[in-house]
Amino acid sequence: NAGVTQTPKFRILKIGQSMTLQCTQDMNHNYMYWYRQDPGMGLKLIYYSVGAGITDKGEVPNGYNVSRSTTEDFPLRLELAAPSQTSVYFCASSSPTGLAGGPNEQFFGPGTRLTVL
Amino acid sequence: AQSVTQPDIHITVSEGASLELRCNYSYGATPYLFWYVQSPGQGLQLLLKYFSGDTLVQGIKGFEAEFKRSQSSFNLRKPSVHWSDAAEYFCAVGARGSQGNLIFGKGTKLSVKP
Repeated sequence: NAGVTQTPKFRILKIGQSMTLQCTQDMNHNYMYWYRQDPGMGLKLIYYSVGAGITDKGEVPNGYNVSRSTTEDFPLRLELAAPSQTSVYFCASSSPTGLAGGPNEQFFGPGTRLTVL
Repeated sequence: AQSVTQPDIHITVSEGASLELRCNYSYGATPYLFWYVQSPGQGLQLLLKYFSGDTLVQGIKGFEAEFKRSQSSFNLRKPSVHWSDAAEYFCAVGARGSQGNLIFGKGTKLSVKP
């Protein structure tokens, strides 16, 4: 099993450009998440999905869009890149609720380091 | 609302010394608690988790954590630190019905002196 894979690993964008960060998982997990990580700030949830065709906003969704057409894939789209979107982006997945209806362990990809200049 | 506080931004310990990383959470009901480790340039890896039962939980790489409800804490410990433990450590809390969402602390960076 590859687990959670992300592409690309690194990317430099110019202000106003657009791009899609790819995320794929092979664990048949229903739940998938996108986070951004900025130094000293921990992880902030951008969007999440509880299954194909279902997505919802997290804490910091502005400037991003997602889609979930299959269980395996959860791409993150930046339409008009801004310097504030310079960050490391992590995709994660988990199986649905674990013990007693609570959250399960999330499995993380290796991340995409994005710089917007 | 749930929140997680990791009071120490950066800790340095000598190799072979013991380690304790602090985590305090805020949540009204029984929390679901996790500790993750992130090596430089890598994604996050689960060290251990607590849902219920025995308040002392064992994880991978010789780590353990103790849930103390009265102190709203879930501190991570290791009896003897190895140089390879140098990394950033994140505490996270989740709740029932949260659709799997976790709230992460800001992390504690661990440096290990030879």
